[in-house]
Amino acid sequence: EAGVTQSPTHLIKTRGQQATLRCSPISGHTSVYWYQQALGLGLQFLLWYDEGEERNRGNFPPRFSGRQFPNYSSELNVNALELEDSALYLCASRDRVNTEAFFGQGTRLTVV
Amino acid sequence: AQSVTQLGSHVSVSEGALVLLRCNYSSSVPPYLFWYVQYPNQGLQLLLKYTSAATLVKGINGFEAEFKKSETSFHLTKPSAHMSDAAEYFCAVKISGAGSYQLTFGKGTKLSVIP
Repeated sequence: EAGVTQSPTHLIKTRGQQATLRCSPISGHTSVYWYQQALGLGLQFLLWYDEGEERNRGNFPPRFSGRQFPNYSSELNVNALELEDSALYLCASRDRVNTEAFFGQGTRLTVV
Repeated sequence: AQSVTQLGSHVSVSEGALVLLRCNYSSSVPPYLFWYVQYPNQGLQLLLKYTSAATLVKGINGFEAEFKKSETSFHLTKPSAHMSDAAEYFCAVKISGAGSYQLTFGKGTKLSVIP
């Protein structure tokens, strides 16, 4: 069974540009979570999508947004990139029954 | 609000020695607790979870954790460290609430294994 897959693996953008990160959950999982892991800041919760709806968002500005598609895959968009947006962005998915979430390998975003 | 605190950002042990990584939680309701491991430049892998069944939870790679309500702790242990255990370990608590599910992570403990 395929795990959570994220693309691209690495992404280099210039300050002010937009970045789009993608996540495919494990088959059968309906919830997708996005986390930011910046150096020295630990794992910060960004967004939670379930059944196509945004259920909750962390303490991030509105330029961080996303969506979940009918096939439960998800996209994270970061507009007006700033240098401090450089981080590893992790996606996780969960099914309706179990309590654990499974993580992808992450997308390393570098803003220069 | 639920939260976790990991004591020690960096722990070093000798190969073959006991591994003990500390996690204390704060929760007004019975928590769901997790330990994840992250190898360099990779995502997080679930080691084990506590969901109010047995207080001693066995996970993968020989790790286990014991839920102690009186101490509000969920420490991770392994009897004998292996070089391949070198990684960063995160304790997490599920935030509860009607219809909600969200994990809050500790700041992580980097484990070094000395040959």
